[in-house]
This record gives sequence, structure tokens and C-alpha cells, in this order.
Amino acid sequence: EAGVAQSPRYKIIEKRQSVAFWCNPISGHATLYWYQQILGQGPKLLIQFQNNGVVDDSQLPKDRFSAERLKGVDSTLKIQPAKLEDSAVYLCASSFGSQETQYFGPGTRLLVL
Amino acid sequence: GQQLNQSPQSMFIQEGEDVSMNCTSSSIFNTWLWYKQEPGEGPVLLIALYKAGELTSNGRLTAQFGITRKDSFLNISASIPSDVGIYFCAGLTTDSWGKLQFGAGTQVVVTP
Repeated sequence: EAGVAQSPRYKIIEKRQSVAFWCNPISGHATLYWYQQILGQGPKLLIQFQNNGVVDDSQLPKDRFSAERLKGVDSTLKIQPAKLEDSAVYLCASSFGSQETQYFGPGTRLLVL
Repeated sequence: GQQLNQSPQSMFIQEGEDVSMNCTSSSIFNTWLWYKQEPGEGPVLLIALYKAGELTSNGRLTAQFGITRKDSFLNISASIPSDVGIYFCAGLTTDSWGKLQFGAGTQVVVTP
């Protein structure tokens, strides 16, 4: 069974530029999560989708971050404009249901200069 | 910010030694999870605990769900070089709808 796929694996941009990340969850998983992991910290949930609807986006900085999962399968996370403090690993995870085991992708490492 | 306090922050041990780490919280959790993250990868689930007092093993790993439901610990016995990585605890509350709260991680370094 294929795991959670993410791309790109690495991205370097300058502050004020835009960037987008893509995630393809495990087939059949209805719940998809985006996490931000700053160096030296554990992952922090940014947004949770159930199919194509948002369950929780309370920690998403909505002035610059946006995410969508239009067809209830893959998802994109966008940052516009990026700030230096957005440098982090962005992890995507998926699960069969909201209380089920979450499986993580390899992450996208973002460096904002 | 993080609601889970994980300790120690890092451990440097010799191959063959046992490792212990723990996680405490001011909140009650109904699920405790332990993940391992290796460089350049996402976290991988090691052990899941669903009941207070539960003791679960996975090979050389043993984890327990504290009776108060506010803590958990993970033991690694007879460490080997491939145990190197960052170990995270994570918890779920009944009404969290899958929103995991993570500790800050324990970095384990194993020397031959």
C-alpha cells in the first residue's frame, strides 16, 4: 500500500514570495491533516479536512496560509506571502477516520530567506 | 503552544543500554501515541495506547498509559544504532476530533 505522498521535498524561497505544497493521502483515507514542524519542536496542526470539508483550522494563519481539498482526495497548502518564521517542515498526514491512526508523509522542508 | 511536557530533551547512550522517556500533561487524554522521526522523514507510529494502565510492547519498545491519564512513558531496551532518532509522544482527547497534541520530542543518540 502506497504511503502519503508529498511534493516538493525541499523548497527555498525569499520572503514575500508565494509557495505551494501538495499532498496525496493514502487511498481511502477520508481525513487529511497539514502540520507545521518548526526545528526542535513537535508537529503543530494547521488544518484538518474530513473529505473536502474543513474540520479544524483554528491554528492556521489565515492572513497568509490557505489550504484546499476540492475533490476530497489530494490537497494543497499555500503560503502567500511567506515570512522568515514560516521556515519549517510541512507534514501531511491522513487517516481512515478522525480518531484513527494518522500516517505521515515525508514532509516538505521550506526555507524562507 | 505545547501542552505536553516531554523529557528528557535528549539522550546520549551506549549501544546495549536501556532508554526511558516520559510525557506529562495537565489535561486528560484518552489516547497516547508514541512516534519516531528519523532525519528527512515524517513521524512513524510505534505504539498506541487506549486505556489507562495499559502496558503495550512492540519488540524492544514498551509503553504505558498512566493511570491518571495525564502521563505516559516509553522504554527502549538493549538499544542499537538504528534506534537513533527523535521520539515524540502525542495525545488525543475525547473531543479533539483527531487533533493530535505533540510533545517537543526526545532526541536519542546511540554510540557503539
